[in-house]
Amino acid sequence: SYELTQPPSVSVSPGQTARITCSADALPKQYTYWYQQRPGQAPVLVIYKDSERPSGIPERFSGSSSGTTVTLTISGVQAEDEADYYCQSPDSSGTYRIFGGGTKLSVL
Amino acid sequence: QVQLVDSGGGVVQPGRSLRLSCAASGFTFRNYGMHWVRQAPGKGLEWVAVIWYDGSNKYYADSVKDRFTISRDNSKNTLHLQMNSLRAEDTAVYYCVRDRSNAYFDYWGQGTLVTVSS
Repeated sequence: SYELTQPPSVSVSPGQTARITCSADALPKQYTYWYQQRPGQAPVLVIYKDSERPSGIPERFSGSSSGTTVTLTISGVQAEDEADYYCQSPDSSGTYRIFGGGTKLSVL
Repeated sequence: QVQLVDSGGGVVQPGRSLRLSCAASGFTFRNYGMHWVRQAPGKGLEWVAVIWYDGSNKYYADSVKDRFTISRDNSKNTLHLQMNSLRAEDTAVYYCVRDRSNAYFDYWGQGTLVTVSS
């Protein structure tokens, strides 16, 4: 099976840079997608194909990949970025969808 | 604009059934695969099922296989999830989600809460 592992929580101060990792447990690594979920709301796509940013997503959101680990970077974190972040990939067959456990970003 | 409106949630006893619906608008529904994703209270996201754009293929998470059935009516732009033999662990907000590039999700419904309790 294909599993994605995220840290449960990350904390940063406003204006700092937050980095949230997502590690895959198998090769080949599939493309990874990131979703932001604010309390009481549906998730929103913030990064696709490891590092592409959808239209309407602020430039401070970026993604990168190295080996089996992808990283979501939020530069100049703002209070409104406080949310849960989930990584997601298709499985190797492309049939199923896998989510990481989610990371709670706290802006202190 | 793309809209997905989930409905059909509620409180149901263990072992009973419930049918969720999702009304789609703002795009050509018959051209897109569709999914259901759920989120138990205070927990993470869990993929539940997918149906191809033409309904020809359906796949399920192991946790719901043989109990849930995903279906669609392309003439009515509607997605459904028939949930049978419900268990307490099926309690969650269920989201209707549009597939993009057979890889990820680009639009989500607002979710509908299913509570399985006696």
